[in-house]
Amino acid sequence: AQKITQTQPGMFVQEKEAVTLDCTYDTSDPSYGLFWYKQPSSGEMIFLIYQGSYDQQNATEGRYSLNFQKARKSANLVISASQLGDSAMYFCAMRERGNYGGATNKLIFGTGTLLAVQP
Amino acid sequence: NAGVTQTPKFQVLKTGQSMTLQCAQDMNHEYMSWYRQDPGMGLRLIHYSVGAGITDQGEVPNGYNVSRSTTEDFPLRLLSAAPSQTSVYFCASRVGGTVNTEAFFGQGTRLTVV
Repeated sequence: AQKITQTQPGMFVQEKEAVTLDCTYDTSDPSYGLFWYKQPSSGEMIFLIYQGSYDQQNATEGRYSLNFQKARKSANLVISASQLGDSAMYFCAMRERGNYGGATNKLIFGTGTLLAVQP
Repeated sequence: NAGVTQTPKFQVLKTGQSMTLQCAQDMNHEYMSWYRQDPGMGLRLIHYSVGAGITDQGEVPNGYNVSRSTTEDFPLRLLSAAPSQTSVYFCASRVGGTVNTEAFFGQGTRLTVV
């Protein structure tokens, strides 16, 4: 069954340092996509980065990068040079290929990691 | 550019009351979904739609109904509210067809059932 696991309920990081948020997944579908979302205290869900199962290179978006290790089924988010504004809840999510000739709309989320950036 | 708009932002219901959470998107997205967010559980899929007239159940569909008569709108109905439905509800939309398009979320509706 499709599953996302985030084992870190909370983390601290010093401002300007890098931090890695862990995410492991389970799927039997060879075609899937992995997503990271940020949820600040204001509550909205903000898309950060995407990694496809067939992508050869790790995804990067500005200070965000995804450490994709397919054999280990992990998709860790790396935030470089942390900023105070990075303090938020971070969710890893996965979508499998589906039955409607494309992808399902079933985006499965992990339980999230609460990141606190300290000055 | 409004994106995904949810109304209301806050709602309090009495047990047994019914209501509809509204969701509208102006991006011409095929796919729309409803999620609920509970503490310690992440977001869980309630219902989703891959186009007008097509809906399907997600992970936690019981107690909720949906319909999709237009591309733009995807309302979520609670027929008889229960305290267990106290949660934050998110509507999302995305371009359909592949795994790699991100979902755009509304601002959320915080629902309390007393």
